[in-house]
Amino acid sequence: GAVVSQHPSWVICKSGTSVKIECRSLDFQATTMFWYRQFPKQSLMLMATSNEGSKATYEQGVEKDKFLINHASLTLSTLTVTSAHPEDSSFYICSARSGATDTQYFGPGTRLTVL
Amino acid sequence: AQSVTQLGSHVSVSEGALVLLRCNYSSSVPPYLFWYVQYPNQGLQLLLKYTSAATLVKGINGFEAEFKKSETSFHLTKPSAHMSDAAEYFCAVTGGGADGLTFGKGTHLIIQP
Repeated sequence: GAVVSQHPSWVICKSGTSVKIECRSLDFQATTMFWYRQFPKQSLMLMATSNEGSKATYEQGVEKDKFLINHASLTLSTLTVTSAHPEDSSFYICSARSGATDTQYFGPGTRLTVL
Repeated sequence: AQSVTQLGSHVSVSEGALVLLRCNYSSSVPPYLFWYVQYPNQGLQLLLKYTSAATLVKGINGFEAEFKKSETSFHLTKPSAHMSDAAEYFCAVTGGGADGLTFGKGTHLIIQP
């Protein structure tokens, strides 16, 4: 149980284009999902907290207009990187919080490379 | 606010030896503490968590951790290392279940044959 999927697992795009990453909780409902960013050989940094049906809460320093988050249902949150640039290249990982276990379960991550 | 310090970016142990990964935390509220493991190019897998119940927490794959409030520590141990334990380990803290996690910088565990 408590499986979280992400799609795509990797994506390469040209500078200036937008990329959408999906995060799904497969066997539980998640009122709260989180988006993290991980640079090579570094730790995870929380980007934003996504609550179903409301606007996401962004951490300080994260551009909300660049990283658009939509939490459309209790099992789906999306992160759209708008007008991507090479510095946006990173490993993006989502997590979904299970209310039953009060624990965040992580997706497998999406590696974004912007050329 | 919360923070996590993991001592030792790399830890090397022999197969069969004790594994000890250190984690100290700072939290302005009673903390929830977690250990996650990450294999290359993968997401994070939960090893164990502390949420104010028993101070000695047992997790998967033979790992356990002890919450020591007086030392603000949550060190991860395993009695006997296995080659498959080689991975990156992250300690994380949150002040509440609905809050995001604050991660330590991670410890890369190397298992020597």
